[in-house]
This record gives sequence, structure tokens and C-alpha cells, in this order.
Amino acid sequence: GEDVEQSLFLSVREGDSSVINCTYTDSSSTYLYWYKQEPGAGLQLLTYIFSNMDMKQDQRLTVLLNKKDKHLSLRIADTQTGDSAIYFCAEGGGGNKLTFGTGTQLKVEL
Amino acid sequence: KAGVTQTPRYLIKTRGQQVTLSCSPISGHRSVSWYQQTPGQGLQFLFEYFSETQRNKGNFPGRFSGRQFSNSRSEMNVSTLELGDSALYLCASSLNRGGADTQYFGPGTRLTVL
Repeated sequence: GEDVEQSLFLSVREGDSSVINCTYTDSSSTYLYWYKQEPGAGLQLLTYIFSNMDMKQDQRLTVLLNKKDKHLSLRIADTQTGDSAIYFCAEGGGGNKLTFGTGTQLKVEL
Repeated sequence: KAGVTQTPRYLIKTRGQQVTLSCSPISGHRSVSWYQQTPGQGLQFLFEYFSETQRNKGNFPGRFSGRQFSNSRSEMNVSTLELGDSALYLCASSLNRGGADTQYFGPGTRLTVL
């Protein structure tokens, strides 16, 4: 069955790098996504990676995918207080049914 | 371009009542998906509509239903509300070009069932 897991909390200092991890079980996943949710808001798509890639970089964001271990990570360089939010990874099989992880609350301290 | 809009933003109902939530997708987007977000269950897929047809469905009881209109706007309905239906209901729209069909989410409707 489909199951996506994330650690619940991560605390970093401003200016440091943040690494948020995610493990998934559905080997048929075609795309893997990272979304950000700020308090009282919907989900904002940050980036996505195709399952045949192992890395994708987009400005301060780096996504690493280890398909063998079904492990996905999101690295945020130079983390700022505005990055404080809940981050969700999600897997999709190419259609529009996404399975979301439990979410990781990132707290950025001064 | 305007984003996904959802109305109402907040709603309070009592057990046994029914509720209808509305979602207007981004202009040109033809696929609309609905998700339920609760502290206990997280984000769960409800259903997806494309060209006025339900294309995909999650594991929710028949009390949860939806529809899509010819202009791609979508509504979801929950009948015989239960306390456990209290949640943030999120709508997402996408172009449906295939591949990584990026879904853009609205701000959600916060439903409280008393």
C-alpha cells in the first residue's frame, strides 16, 4: 500500500541549511513533490522530481532521490525565518491523486 | 492570473446537516481535485474531476460527493455531517497536460461541525 513518512519537527538556525527527509513505499510513483504550507494557508508547490532523476536543484532548493531506498530529501540552503512552515512530500503515479506525507514542521531560529 | 479560489473560507455546521463547498480553478485548468486535511489523518485525497466526470476517487464514504461544471468550477458536498468531518478542505487545479501535472492549491475551506 501507499505510505509516506516524514519526521515531525526540524529546528535550524537562520543561515544554516535545512534537510527534510521523506520515505515512501509505492515503487510505481512517477513524480515526487515537495509542498510548503504556512499557517492558515493552502499548499504551495515548491518543486518536484521525476522518478528517473536522482537530483534536482532550483535556486536554494535541492532535491535528492534515492529510488532504491525510496528516500527523498529536500535541502534548503541559507534558511531564512520566512522558510518556517510545514513541508509535505507527496508521491504521484502520473495522475492527480497525490499521497502526502505527514508533514515536517520547520522552525527557523535567529 | 488569479489563483484557485474556494468559498466559503470558514463554515460552521451542526451534526446531521449537509454542506456544499465551492472551488474555482485557475483559468484554463480542467482538472480539479479535493483533499481533506485533519490533524489526525493528515492530507487525504477525496476525488478528482476532469471534463465534468469523476476520474479518481479516494477512500471516503458515499456521504462525500462532488461535481464539476462545464466551466471547470467544482463543488463538493458532504451530507449528514459528523463531528469527524471537521477539517480543512483543499481544492487543487491543474492543466492536465500529462506528466508532472502540477497541482495548484487554494487556501481551503475550514469546516467545523458542532
